[in-house]
Amino acid sequence: DQQVKQNSPSLSVQEGRISILNCDYTNSMFDYFLWYKKYPAEGPTFLISISSIKDKNEDGRFTVFLNKSAKHLSLHIVPSQPGDSAVYFCAASRGGRGAQKLVFGQGTRLTINP
Amino acid sequence: KAGVTQTPRYLIKTRGQQVTLSCSPISGHRSVSWYQQTPGQGLQFLFEYFSETQRNKGNFPGRFSGRQFSNSRSEMNVSTLELGDSALYLCASSLGGESYEQYFGPGTRLTVT
Repeated sequence: DQQVKQNSPSLSVQEGRISILNCDYTNSMFDYFLWYKKYPAEGPTFLISISSIKDKNEDGRFTVFLNKSAKHLSLHIVPSQPGDSAVYFCAASRGGRGAQKLVFGQGTRLTINP
Repeated sequence: KAGVTQTPRYLIKTRGQQVTLSCSPISGHRSVSWYQQTPGQGLQFLFEYFSETQRNKGNFPGRFSGRQFSNSRSEMNVSTLELGDSALYLCASSLGGESYEQYFGPGTRLTVT
């Protein structure tokens, strides 16, 4: 039972354009969502997060949108840069004492083409 | 501030053996979580320790265990290794409490032959 799904295994975007990565979840108890970026041979790097009481959070080139009714979140990267090429994971948490128990999606490999 | 460190980075073990992996969290972080990453199952939560107590546990057999010391450093142990235990084991630390953001170490690549 995959509670967090990233349906696109890969995405290719031209440098300077917008990258949109999508994530769907099934568990309505999730109340906090995070995006991580992972390079080969490294651990995931925290990018940005959003609480379920918000529908948008922005940090520099990264914006996360949350649509609770659709159980869907997306990460927008504008403008995309070659260094953004990596695997992106979305993760969800139920909060409370289980806040640290992150449930991850399968990841989307983003390739930025010059 | 130094990041999360994990030792060793690479490990090769034989089926049936046991292994201990170590994690040092970011200074001031009291929560340490462990994850297993495999190509088939992705990133899966193993367990979390906070103030030397296991606070959360994932769906892994009892062969997987861990502990946390008073300085927040953590170890995880896998006994009676199986071929399927070959994976990247990631440790993550966070402040705990109301903080959800976890910061990951580089991982330990375990190969079981």
